Amino acid sequence: EVQLLESGGGLVQPGGSLRLSCEASGFVFSGNAMNWVRQAPGKGLEWVSAISFSGGRTYYADSVKGRFTISRDNSKNMVFLEMHSLRAEDTAIYYCAKDHSPNYPLYYLEYWGQGTLVTVSS
Amino acid sequence: SYVLTQPPSVSVAPGQTARITCGGNNIGSKSVHWYQQKPGQAPVLVVNDDSVRPSGIPERFSGSNSGNTATLTISRVEAGDEADYHCQVWDTSGDQYVFGTGTRVTVL
Repeated sequence: EVQLLESGGGLVQPGGSLRLSCEASGFVFSGNAMNWVRQAPGKGLEWVSAISFSGGRTYYADSVKGRFTISRDNSKNMVFLEMHSLRAEDTAIYYCAKDHSPNYPLYYLEYWGQGTLVTVSS
Repeated sequence: SYVLTQPPSVSVAPGQTARITCGGNNIGSKSVHWYQQKPGQAPVLVVNDDSVRPSGIPERFSGSNSGNTATLTISRVEAGDEADYHCQVWDTSGDQYVFGTGTRVTVL
């Protein structure tokens, strides 16, 4: 059974930083790209970032480019999202999601974790 | 960037058919995928590649895609189908995932 467990969310002040983690199990982690998708309160889904199976290629939404960094550790079955210069509009539930594809082009999101809440507020 | 437009809401009586549209420029040339999200839960893939149902998804869920509109159809709607539905494509021009605006399905 595929399981994705996010952690690291919390309350952070505007301009602050946070690191999210996602621990994966139930599949060959090094064989798939991984993604982060967020959902602001009462809003729709917004894709944030993706990383290829090897970590050699990364992708970002325009709204987070230059502020967020995605990475992965295939030896630990984990993917991370380093977030800097956080803004109020970054407040959302952040979901980790397993991609159907290993690499470019990405395709669709087969499995999702339950998410971790990030609140940016003073 | 590529934009996907969905109606904010669709209401349907139990046992009837719900149709949720997803509009985009020449979307018929792309592969469209659909997710169901019940309140307080994570999204679940219900249709991939326009019309393919993942394992465990009821046959009542089907999809189509042509021209500028993709459609998710839910036949014989049940109370448990009440949820938000999101369409999604991979935008090759921007190397980004794009989600639709989301549609709330209400079962009357």
